[in-house]
Amino acid sequence: NAGVTQTPKFQVLKTGQSMTLQCAQDMNHEYMSWYRQDPGMGLRLIHYSVGAGITDQGEVPNGYNVSRSTTEDFPLRLLSAAPSQTSVYFCASSYTGVHGYTFGSGTRLTVV
Amino acid sequence: KNEVEQSPQNLTAQEGEFITINCSYSVGISALHWLQQHPGGGIVSLFMLSSGKKKHGRLIATINIQEKHSSLHITASHPRDSAVYICAVDDYNNNDMRFGAGTRLTVKP
Repeated sequence: NAGVTQTPKFQVLKTGQSMTLQCAQDMNHEYMSWYRQDPGMGLRLIHYSVGAGITDQGEVPNGYNVSRSTTEDFPLRLLSAAPSQTSVYFCASSYTGVHGYTFGSGTRLTVV
Repeated sequence: KNEVEQSPQNLTAQEGEFITINCSYSVGISALHWLQQHPGGGIVSLFMLSSGKKKHGRLIATINIQEKHSSLHITASHPRDSAVYICAVDDYNNNDMRFGAGTRLTVKP
């Protein structure tokens, strides 16, 4: 099925560990983005990309890295996990400025 | 102050009622989105609009650019409409996306 695929769905990390959240879409969307959702704060944009080779920071980029080597993939890297990064993470994609967003199913990350 | 404010925060309705959720924003935008987040956590895009009005089934979204205000209406509400509805804007000054805190809707049979 076409859409946005996020992996893993759940992850527990120890403080200081690193990991990569994967996001892939098969709709040839130009725009891809990562968000975190925390109770009482709503969704916040972490990083986004308007095309392969182009990334930019959103509202809360600290502690996260991204890259966009292909149109399909937009991984999110946590280099040294902190408890403050415990959250639910969503990846989304769209045709820039034309259609709405397609969201992945989310990754629930706990940092202990 | 959040750039995107939604009201109400929580809304309980009886099946069949007409529902309105409001969204006000303070930044310049290129588009406004209404999203639905199901109890299981998945997020679905309902509407993307930059002017006027859009309708999809029992859902209607309107936007007034001059007043920086949008509304989401649900006609003949049903328990399956129970979800969190999120307003989000594309901030064209920052090329950024800003979200409201969401409105939790519960429709009782």
